[in-house]
Order: sequence, then structure tokens, then C-alpha cells
Amino acid sequence: GDSVTQMEGPVTLSEEAFLTINCTYTATGYPSLFWYVQYPGEGLQLLLKATKADDKGSNKGFEATYRKETTSFHLEKGSVQVSDSAVYFCALSHLTGGGNKLTFGTGTQLKVEL
Amino acid sequence: GAGVSQTPSNKVTEKGKYVELRCDPISGHTALYWYRQSLGQGPEFLIYFQGTGAADDSGLPNDRFFAVRPEGSVSTLKIQRTERGDSAVYLCASSLHENTEAFFGQGTRLTVV
Repeated sequence: GDSVTQMEGPVTLSEEAFLTINCTYTATGYPSLFWYVQYPGEGLQLLLKATKADDKGSNKGFEATYRKETTSFHLEKGSVQVSDSAVYFCALSHLTGGGNKLTFGTGTQLKVEL
Repeated sequence: GAGVSQTPSNKVTEKGKYVELRCDPISGHTALYWYRQSLGQGPEFLIYFQGTGAADDSGLPNDRFFAVRPEGSVSTLKIQRTERGDSAVYLCASSLHENTEAFFGQGTRLTVV
């Protein structure tokens, strides 16, 4: 079955540091890939997505590239801010017939300090 | 409403009791999803509704879990004979159609004591 593996946290960075959160997946066919973010006290929000190989999703300074050859979708940001502190989830979906049913990784907590 | 609303936000119940968790999706969204998130884990899919019907209930762990969406809007997740292992955050999400972005509620934290 489908699965998503992401690096364990917590990840603690200083403000303006470079961020990478690794994500790899196992799935049949050609899934779409997502990063969701959960800020403290809030619900999951879609951060970015990519629907086919070599696509790059980007939003709020974050980006991730769909790499089919390495089955990866690593999240990066060049300069993190304290307000980026949250839990980040990598996920995949087969957007055909089965609805938007998502398979999530375990989440990575990011803490950004001044 | 502006977003997906879930009630109650917290529920504590005794082992063996019956509980109902409610989800109000975004108005006009035809697809609705339930997920369960255990401590330290990512959300796990439970069931998906398209309109009033359950299109995929493959994630329901056993027959103690049941969900309905009788009018194609509000949904209720029902858990019978609760067990301590059912303790988790139950998330609801909705999307305009299947295969469009899913919007999540803040969840109901269920604690079985």
C-alpha cells in the first residue's frame, strides 16, 4: 500500500536559517504530492502541492519538487521566520476516482528561534 | 460557515460508552472526509462521503465505527463501546468536489478513560 516517510523532529533552527524537511513516498502509479502545515491551535492547511514528476510547488517562500526517480518531495525554505514554527506533514493522493483520500507522513515539528 | 466546524472540540468519555462527533463542512462542498490522528502520528483516513453516500469506508478500523451524512451536508461519526485505544484527534475535511483541495477542521480530541 501507499506510505509516506518524513524526517523526525523536532527540528530547531535560528531565524533566517535554511530549512529542509525530507519526505519520501511509496505508491503505485503517479500520485500527487502535498505539504500540509498545522500551526498551533489551528487545523491542517494546504501549503503546496505538485501533481506530476518534476513539478515544483511553492507558497509563502516554501518550495518542493516532485522527484519521481528518487520518490521524494523534500520541503525547503531559504530563510525561516519565527512565524513558520508549526508541524509540517507530507502527504500523497491518487486523484482518480478515490476522491482526495490522503496518505500522510508522521509530521515534523519545526521550531524557529530568534 | 467560513470553514469546517467540528463539535465538540474536546470529549472525555468512559470506556464502553457511545460517542458522536459532528462535522459541519464548508457550505456547498460535496465531498467530506474523516481522519483519525493518534499522538505523534499523521492523520489516517477513515471514510469519505460524496454527497450522502459513503464512497469509501475502507479506513474504518472495525464495526464499532460508523458515519452518516443523511442530507449531504453535516456528518456524524459514531463510535460504539469506546475503548482506550480510540483516544485520538478526529479530523474532518471537506472539498468542493472530489479531487479538489480538502479543507480541514480543527478536530475533536476524544479521550477514553
